[in-house]
Amino acid sequence: DAGVIQSPRHEVTEMGQEVTLRCKPISGHDYLFWYRQTMMRGLELLIYFNNNVPIDDSGMPEDRFSAKMPNASFSTLKIQPSEPRDSAVYFCASSSSPGVTTGELFFGEGSRLTVL
Amino acid sequence: GDSVTQMEGPVTLSEEAFLTINCTYTATGYPSLFWYVQYPGEGLQLLLKATKADDKGSNKGFEATYRKETTSFHLEKGSVQVSDSAVYFCALRNRDDKIIFGKGTRLHILP
Repeated sequence: DAGVIQSPRHEVTEMGQEVTLRCKPISGHDYLFWYRQTMMRGLELLIYFNNNVPIDDSGMPEDRFSAKMPNASFSTLKIQPSEPRDSAVYFCASSSSPGVTTGELFFGEGSRLTVL
Repeated sequence: GDSVTQMEGPVTLSEEAFLTINCTYTATGYPSLFWYVQYPGEGLQLLLKATKADDKGSNKGFEATYRKETTSFHLEKGSVQVSDSAVYFCALRNRDDKIIFGKGTRLHILP
C-alpha cells in the first residue's frame, strides 16, 4: 500500500515568492494533519481536516499561510509571500477515525523548505 | 490547552544501557497516548501506543505505561542498541481528535 505522499521533497525559494506544498493521504483515511518541524519549536500542528473540512487551524502562524483539502485524496499548504523564518520541514500525516483504530498517524517523508 | 512535555535532550548512553525518556501530559478526559520515532531524513513512525489508563504499549523492546494518576507515559528500554539512535516524540490524541506532540528527545547510543 502506498503511504502518505508529499511533494516536493525539497524546495528552495526566495523571500516573497509563493510556495505550495502538496499531500496525498492514505486511501480511506478521513483525517489529515499538517505539521511544521524546526529545531527551535519542535513539531507544531498547523491545521487538521476531517472529511475534507478544516477542524482546527489555530496553529497556522498568520494570514500568509493557507491550507485546502478539495477532496479526500489531496491537500495543499500554501505560503504567500514566503519569508526566511518559514524555513522548516513540513509534514503531512493522515489517520483513520479513532473509533476504527487507535488513531495513530501515518507520516509522509516531509517537504524541506528553504526561503532565502 | 492540551499539551505534552518531554525531557530535553540530547540523551547520550552507551550500548546496552537502560533508557528512560520522561513524558507527561495535560489533557481533559482520557486521551490516547503514543510514542513516535524519527530516524534521520525520515518522517515520524509509530513506535507504540496506549489508549486507556494502565495500558502498556510495547514494541521492539520499548515499553510505556499509561499512568493517569501521574499523567505520564514514560518510555523505557532495558538494553539500548546503536540502531536506537533517533529522535523520540511523545504525543496525545485528545477528545477533539487533535494530535499534539512533545518537542522530541534526541537519543545518541555510543558503541
